[in-house]
Amino acid sequence: NAGVTQTPKFQVLKTGQSMTLQCAQDMNHNSMYWYRQDPGMGLRLIYYSASEGTTDKGEVPNGYNVSRLNKREFSLRLESAAPSQTSVYFCASRRGRGYEQYFGPGTRLTVT
Amino acid sequence: AQSVAQPEDQVKVAEGNPLTVKCTYSVSGNPYLFWYVQYPNRGLQFLLKYITGDNLVKGSYGFEAEFNKSQTSFHLKKPSALVSDSALYFCAVRDTMNYGGSQGNLIFGKGTKLSVKP
Repeated sequence: NAGVTQTPKFQVLKTGQSMTLQCAQDMNHNSMYWYRQDPGMGLRLIYYSASEGTTDKGEVPNGYNVSRLNKREFSLRLESAAPSQTSVYFCASRRGRGYEQYFGPGTRLTVT
Repeated sequence: AQSVAQPEDQVKVAEGNPLTVKCTYSVSGNPYLFWYVQYPNRGLQFLLKYITGDNLVKGSYGFEAEFNKSQTSFHLKKPSALVSDSALYFCAVRDTMNYGGSQGNLIFGKGTKLSVKP
C-alpha cells in the first residue's frame, strides 16, 4: 500500500495564479483532511471530508476550495494564490472515529 | 474552548537519558489523545493513542505516554533517548464539540522540537 500520496511535492506560484493540490489514499478510509503547517502554528485544518460526497470547512478555509472526487481522492484548490498561503500542505485520511489519521508527505508551496 | 498545549517549544536531552515531552489538553467529555512525530521534510507519523483503558500507553519506537485525567495531561516519554529520536513532536486531541462528520477531527498542539545530543 502506498498510503496517502500527494502531488506535487514542491510548487512556486506567483500571486494571483491558481493551482490544485492532489491527494489520494489507498486504505479505503472514509474521512480525509487538508491541513496547513506554518512555523510555530502547528497544524491547522483547512477543509475535511467526513465521507464521500461531503465536505466541510475547518479552522482556516478562506482562499481555498476542495473536491472529494471519490472515496480515494480529495483535492485542494487555490483559486487566486496569495503570499499568505505560502506554507506546507498536508493531506490525511482516517478510517473512522477513534482511529488515528495517516498523513501524506506534504506539498511545499511558495507564493511570490 | 477545546485546546491542546505543548508548553515547551524545545526539549534537549543527552543520548541515553530519559525524555519527556509534555502535553496538556482541554476538552469536553472523554478525551481521545494522540502523539505524532515529524522528521525533517516528512509528513507526520502516528506514534500512539489513548482512547480508554490503561493509563500507560505504549507505542512505536519505544515511546510511551501516560494519561492523567486529574491533571488533564498526556506526556510522552521514553526511558532512553536516541539521537535518531530528534524530531518535531505533536500532541493532538479529538474534537468533541461538534457533531456528525466533524467529531473525530483532531486539534493539534504547536509542536515540541526534541534534540538528542550524542
